[in-house]
Order: sequence, then structure tokens, then C-alpha cells
Amino acid sequence: KAGVTQTPRYLIKTRGQQVTLSCSPISGHRSVSWYQQTPGQGLQFLFEYFSETQRNKGNFPGRFSGRQFSNSRSEMNVSTLELGDSALYLCASSATGTAFQETQYFGPGTRLLVL
Amino acid sequence: GDSVTQMEGPVTLSEEACLTINCTYTATGYPSLFWYVQYPGEDLQLLLKATKADDKGSNKGFEATYRKETTSFHLEKGSVQVSDSAVYFCALVNAGNNRKLIWGLGTSLAVNP
Repeated sequence: KAGVTQTPRYLIKTRGQQVTLSCSPISGHRSVSWYQQTPGQGLQFLFEYFSETQRNKGNFPGRFSGRQFSNSRSEMNVSTLELGDSALYLCASSATGTAFQETQYFGPGTRLLVL
Repeated sequence: GDSVTQMEGPVTLSEEACLTINCTYTATGYPSLFWYVQYPGEDLQLLLKATKADDKGSNKGFEATYRKETTSFHLEKGSVQVSDSAVYFCALVNAGNNRKLIWGLGTSLAVNP
């Protein structure tokens, strides 16, 4: 079974631009979560989508948004990029999305560098 | 709010040494606790988990026991191998927060032959 895939793997942008990252969950998984990983803050939850609906949101500004499609693929968008948005963005999927302690499976991440 | 504190690294051990990575948490109610591991060049992956007090999670020779009285979930292994070199993350998820994992900052482990 293929794992979680994320595209692109690496991205370089300049301040003020916007960026869209994509995540394809494991086949059959319905819940997709996004995390930001930085050396100083560690891993921080961005948001979670289930059945095309945002179910939970972390403490990030409105510049960070996402969506989920009917095939469970998800995208996240960051508008008006800032230097501090440079990070590894990880996507995770889980199977049924019904049990809070359900295992999440992570993709390789998209490394974003903002210049 | 909920939080996880784990010991800072890096931790450097010789092969066959004993490992303990401390993890304590602050949370309301009864969270589930996890250890994730990131091997060099690989995706972050679940190592073990425990979903209720006194549960012991185990995998690949690693163990961790959910101690509600001390709010801890320390990771232990009796004899580490070079292949255990990785970054280890302690995390929790709480009912009502769905899949919102709350993470420790990670502990880097290097095992020398």
C-alpha cells in the first residue's frame, strides 16, 4: 500500500508570495492533518480535514488555509509568505477519523524556504 | 493547554547501552500518548502508543508505560543498536481535539558502535 505522498518536496519562494502544498493520503484514509515543523517550535498542528470539512484548527494566522477534496487529497495554502514560514510542512493521514487516538501516518514533508 | 516536555538531546550512547528518554505531559482528562521516531532519510513514523493509564506500549525492543500519577511516558530500551540512531518525539492527543497531536521538541539519539 502506498504511503502518504506530498508534493512538491522542496520549494523556494520570496516574501509576499503565496504557495500551495499538496498531500495524498494513504488509499482509503479519510482524515488528513497538517503540521509545521521548525527547529525552534518543533511540530505544531495546523489543521485537520475529514470528509472535506475542517474539523480542527491550530493557532496559526488566517494566511494559512487548507481544503480537502472528495478523494481525500488535501492542499494547504499560505498567502503573503513571511520569512518565519520557512519550515518543513508535514501531512498525516488516518484511517477512519473516528477515534481520537487513531494512529496517524506521515508523509515525507515539503520543505519550504522563504527568502 | 495541553503540553509535552521531553528531555533535550542530543543523547550519545555506545551500542548495547541502556536508553531512557524522559517525557512528561500536562493534559486534562485522559489523553493517549505516543512515541514517534524519525530515522535519517525516512518519514516520521509511530514507534509505540498507550491509550490508557498503566498501559505499556512496546515495539522494536522499546517500551513506555503510561503513568498517570506522574504524568509521564518515558521511552526505554535495554540495549540500543546503531540502527536506533534517530530523533524521537513524544506526543499526546486528547479527546475532543481529534487528531491534534501535541508534540515534544524531539530528542536526537546517536548510537556509536
